[in-house]
Order: sequence, then structure tokens, then C-alpha cells
Amino acid sequence: RKEVEQDPGPFNVPEGATVAFNCTYSNSASQSFFWYRQDCRKEPKLLMSVYSSGNEDGRFTAQLNRASQYISLLIRDSKLSDSATYLCVVLSGYSTLTFGKGTMLLVSP
Amino acid sequence: NAGVTQTPKFQVLKTGQSMTLQCAQDMNHEYMSWYRQDPGMGLRLIHYSVGAGITDQGEVPNGYNVSRSTTEDFPLRLLSAAPSQTSVYFCASSSMTGKSTDTQYFGPGTRLTVL
Repeated sequence: RKEVEQDPGPFNVPEGATVAFNCTYSNSASQSFFWYRQDCRKEPKLLMSVYSSGNEDGRFTAQLNRASQYISLLIRDSKLSDSATYLCVVLSGYSTLTFGKGTMLLVSP
Repeated sequence: NAGVTQTPKFQVLKTGQSMTLQCAQDMNHEYMSWYRQDPGMGLRLIHYSVGAGITDQGEVPNGYNVSRSTTEDFPLRLLSAAPSQTSVYFCASSSMTGKSTDTQYFGPGTRLTVL
């Protein structure tokens, strides 16, 4: 079983739509979780951390389900500028980061 | 602050050549790491360092060496380039909260082709 799994997509949505991405992880001892965004041919950048109680940052909502080892990212009111690849990242131990392969989002006018 | 810088941006090598990819950060981060990103494979950790003088292997260390003589610099050396090392290489740095790494800041990447 792969350590961090994501649906590669692409997810094609119109502007204004709501879209959700999921991610599962295999290491039950993982302690920190993140979503990174990567634009085409650019470096990854932190979008948001994921907290156990769930957290929101503007149009973005992240949730964690430790029992199911599942992380989600919800984007509301999609913008053209949201088109990117979204990477699910899990921290295990004190410095072992594992990246998912990413989910591609394409927002069209 | 420049953040994380990487040089060169692009490089073409012949099989068997050696070279060093440079990485520097000006944020006084303890943790630095090198990843490679290949199509369909995601980011894979090559080597990492939790401070000057300390390095360790990641998931795919074979064919690469690193050193960390200063907090700022973390060069990656390809000893004898092979076509399988054609990839995009990202350097990243982060502070450490307690014993855990924090937000990763990535450099712009080096696109390496080995012929």
C-alpha cells in the first residue's frame, strides 16, 4: 500500500463550483498533515496545515479523520487561479515528510 | 530575504559526468532537504540535514552525496550521472519546532537532463 494516496485527477470544474479532494495515508503514527499547492513547472508552496478539529482559510477548508486515516480539502467558489496540483503531505517521526503524487485541478471560465 | 535559492536552473549532462547542484537559504533554518520530482512519482526525498555537520539518507539516496558545512548551504553532488537521474530537483528548508520540522520552503528547482 502506498504511504500517501491521492486521486491524480484532473478535476475539471467551472468557476464558482465547489470541489473536494481526498487523501489517505498508511502510517497511523503520522502526526502532522498539510496541503501544498504546486503550479505548473513551479515549486510547491504551503496552502494550509490540517488540524484535528478541522480548519478553514477563506474559501479553503481542510479536515482530518485520524480513525480512517483520511484528509480532505474543500475549495468553495473556485477561481481560475485555483488551477494547480494539490499535494497531500504527511509528517511522520520528526522530519520524515511523505508527499502524495498530487491531484490536478483545472478551473474553466 | 531571498528565501531558498538554487543554481543552476537548467543543466544538461552526459552519462558519467559529475556535478553539484547548489542550494542556499537565508532564513537560518536548521532543516534542509533535497527532493526529486518525476512524472507520476511525486516528490521523493533524496537526503536531508537537521543542522550543520549532520546529514542522513532519504528514500532515494543512491548516486547522490550531500554535505552541510554551514547552516545556509546544502549542496547535492551527482557522482556519475545516469539517465535515470533526469529529473527536477527541489531543495527545501524549514525551521524545527521542538523536534518536528515546520513549513517547508522550496527553492525554484533545477531541471536536469542526463543524456
